[in-house]
Amino acid sequence: GDSVTQTEGQVTVSESKSLIINCTYSATSIGYPNLFWYVRYPGEGLQLLLKVITAGQKGSSRGFEATYNKEATSFHLQKASVQESDSAVYYCAPTGTQVVGQLTFGRGTRLQVYA
Amino acid sequence: DMKVTQMPRYLIKRMGENVLLECGQDMSHETMYWYRQDPGLGLQLIYISYDVDSNSEGDIPKGYRVSRKKREHFSLILDSAKTNQTSVYFCASRLGGSAETLYFGSGTRLTVL
Repeated sequence: GDSVTQTEGQVTVSESKSLIINCTYSATSIGYPNLFWYVRYPGEGLQLLLKVITAGQKGSSRGFEATYNKEATSFHLQKASVQESDSAVYYCAPTGTQVVGQLTFGRGTRLQVYA
Repeated sequence: DMKVTQMPRYLIKRMGENVLLECGQDMSHETMYWYRQDPGLGLQLIYISYDVDSNSEGDIPKGYRVSRKKREHFSLILDSAKTNQTSVYFCASRLGGSAETLYFGSGTRLTVL
């Protein structure tokens, strides 16, 4: 099975509502990695949204937050109040230790925010 | 300005033709990557390059080869393209270890007819 599982497909949210995109990873496959969320806005390449390299710590950027939960092997992305400009595809990407330099990406979650 | 540049942005080729996708970065990053992205599959790693002439296969290397003769350039080559290689290809680079950020190009949309 996948070593990274995130909320599949498309998520549609009304502006100003809250959002959570789930991400879990397999510690068996990846170990205890550094954790990243990348975002791809329309017409652009992926760019870093936030990262956390220490278990228990929280990363935040542009109103998004994610906490590295080592026990649950999760790194869920949350935002209290989304905006139309947040419409994009979000990728969870743990950096594994099994292969030097290799990231494993989730399949991506497309967020559509409507006014 | 930190940048990864991919050329071309769009490319249409016929089955059996050779394809060259180029990637450049201006950050002197050692490690570079080629990924492809297909709907519902996320990003799949094709090749990693750790430095000049130091390349390793990723998860889906079949049908592809790479070339890295200068640190700032990393090319992806499809010899005799196939229709199932229609995809969006992303190049990325990173300075060093696993805690470092990946910098991505804007992608090349390749269509093989």
